[in-house]
Amino acid sequence: DGGITQSPKYLFRKEGQNVTLSCEQNLNHDAMYWYRQDPGQGLRLIYYSQIVNDFQKGDIAEGYSVSREKKESFPLTVTSAQKNPTAFYLCASSIWQHNEKLFFGSGTQLSVL
Amino acid sequence: GENVEQHPSTLSVQEGDSAVIKCTYSDSASNYFPWYKQELGKGPQLIIDIRSNVGEKKDQRIAVTLNKTAKHFSLHITETQPEDSAVYFCAASMTSGGGADGLTFGKGTHLIIQP
Repeated sequence: DGGITQSPKYLFRKEGQNVTLSCEQNLNHDAMYWYRQDPGQGLRLIYYSQIVNDFQKGDIAEGYSVSREKKESFPLTVTSAQKNPTAFYLCASSIWQHNEKLFFGSGTQLSVL
Repeated sequence: GENVEQHPSTLSVQEGDSAVIKCTYSDSASNYFPWYKQELGKGPQLIIDIRSNVGEKKDQRIAVTLNKTAKHFSLHITETQPEDSAVYFCAASMTSGGGADGLTFGKGTHLIIQP
């Protein structure tokens, strides 16, 4: 089955710790995205990548970092600089950079210990 | 930037009745309006979308209408079923070259179908 796989499903972060959320897709999509979802809020864009080895900041990039070394993979690191990291994180992809239709993974719930 | 308001935040309807969710947007340059459905513990899934050159679009029990003058668009679900229970998000895009990075999402509507 083609799709987007996010892991882990649940993740806990200690104070001062960096954690990395995995996102892998086998849809052969060019563009990939990371969104943050807080209860009762819409989706907010953290980072996006339109092609390999290139990425841009979204609306709330502070405290996060990404890499795009392979077309299939777009990991998100939540750094210790992100003071309020507890949220549901969604990875998505689209066929190419000018296509607005998003395909989402099942998300990772990050909580602070 | 674009601002998308979505109402209501929670909607409870009897099974078999219709449900309507409304969104307004601020930027008249927006030209693409998708709706996503998110079931509990899952990622959102695109269910229907409309572009600004069309006033209405239907797909079986769901439809979307767009009023460009008033800058609002609505999702209509007829003959609701238990599997329609979910959170629904609207969005608007104003990126001139297209691309999902230009999407602004509403805060979501929790639709509850009462048996």
